[in-house]
Amino acid sequence: GAVVSQHPSRVICKSGTSVKIECRSLDFQATTMFWYRQFPKQSLMLMATSNEGSKATYEQGVEKDKFLINHASLTLSTLTVASAHPEDSSFYICSASRTSGYNEQFFGPGTRLTVL
Amino acid sequence: AQSVSQHNHHVILSEAASLELGCNYSYGGTVNLFWYVQYPGQHLQLLLKYFSGDPLVKGIKGFEAEFIKSKFSFNLRKPSVQWSDTAEYFCASHLLTGTASKLTFGTGTRLQVTL
Repeated sequence: GAVVSQHPSRVICKSGTSVKIECRSLDFQATTMFWYRQFPKQSLMLMATSNEGSKATYEQGVEKDKFLINHASLTLSTLTVASAHPEDSSFYICSASRTSGYNEQFFGPGTRLTVL
Repeated sequence: AQSVSQHNHHVILSEAASLELGCNYSYGGTVNLFWYVQYPGQHLQLLLKYFSGDPLVKGIKGFEAEFIKSKFSFNLRKPSVQWSDTAEYFCASHLLTGTASKLTFGTGTRLQVTL
């Protein structure tokens, strides 16, 4: 149990286009979902925390108008990279937990975004 | 601000060798500590976690970690590694602030086990 999927696993797009990444909890209801960004050979950096039905909480330095997060249901959160540019190229990972506050986070396999 | 340091970026061991990966956290308050593993091409998986109690924590696949509060450390150990342990290992801390959970990750240690 506790499987999290991401789609797509890899996306290549032209500069200026918007890209949507989906994160789904397949066998449990995720009250809280998290979006991370990982640069090569670096750590996972938390971008934002989203609770179902409410606005996401963004970490300092993360542009909310650039990285749009929607957590419309207890099994789905989406991250839209608006007007992507080459510097947005990265590995994006989501995770989900069953409750808010601390609970174990289950991670998705990640999405590699390449912006040309 | 909370931070997690992993000093070993790349470790190469022969099978059956013992492993110890260092992890230090910066916050002096109450923290929860974790080790995650990411096998090649797979997603992050939880190896073990420490919340309170016995500072020596046993995890899956023969891994253990010891919480030493005075040293702000939570080092990962395994007495005898296997080739299948080749992976990226991340230490993480969760700061107990009463707000939504927030994990802070170290930069990771790439473990390569040779036959």
